[in-house]
Amino acid sequence: QKEVEQNSGPLSVPEGAIASLNCTYSDRGSQSFFWYRQYSGKSPELIMSIYSNGDKEDGRFTAQLNKASQYVSLLIRDSQPSDSATYLCAVGLLVIYNQGGKLIFGQGTELSVKP
Amino acid sequence: GAGVSQSPSNKVTEKGKDVELRCDPISGHTALYWYRQRLGQGLEFLIYFQGNSAPDKSGLPSDRFSAERTGESVSTLTIQRTQQEDSAVYLCASSLGGVETQYFGPGTRLLVL
Repeated sequence: QKEVEQNSGPLSVPEGAIASLNCTYSDRGSQSFFWYRQYSGKSPELIMSIYSNGDKEDGRFTAQLNKASQYVSLLIRDSQPSDSATYLCAVGLLVIYNQGGKLIFGQGTELSVKP
Repeated sequence: GAGVSQSPSNKVTEKGKDVELRCDPISGHTALYWYRQRLGQGLEFLIYFQGNSAPDKSGLPSDRFSAERTGESVSTLTIQRTQQEDSAVYLCASSLGGVETQYFGPGTRLLVL
């Protein structure tokens, strides 16, 4: 089992719809969770971070965390063609031999928003 | 303030040559990661430095790859005897701690002919 898993997609949604991106992780001790967006040919950029169970909203983006189910998701409301990108989930993994821990990325989900 | 910088931005080399890639992290960031991203693929973890701890080299694909970091400053990734399959974008990221937000540099695009 991979430490952080995402559906590779592509996920295609019409403009104005809600896009739902999902991520599961294996380490129950994980405490930090991130969503990054990567446009083609560019570096990943942070969209949101979440640390507590529940929802966190920032504009059109909502991150949802359920630690009991080891599940984190990202909802994009009123999707726009400019949201078309690859979305990467990252989870902070506690590593015993290195007290600082380590951030693990999923393989990303490609989102395509059709006009 | 300044973000993560990487140099060179592009590198074309011949098979068998050695290359050195440089990463300047954000000042004060103790954690530094190197990733490889082949065209159309996800991030492939290579190596992770955290403060003065021994680096996590578990992602290095072969002994041709090595990396160094002096303290909490610049890091260099060296690829010896480059092969065509080494062609990729090499990304560096830094953070305040191992499980904190990572900030990525613009990457070095390596092409091995």
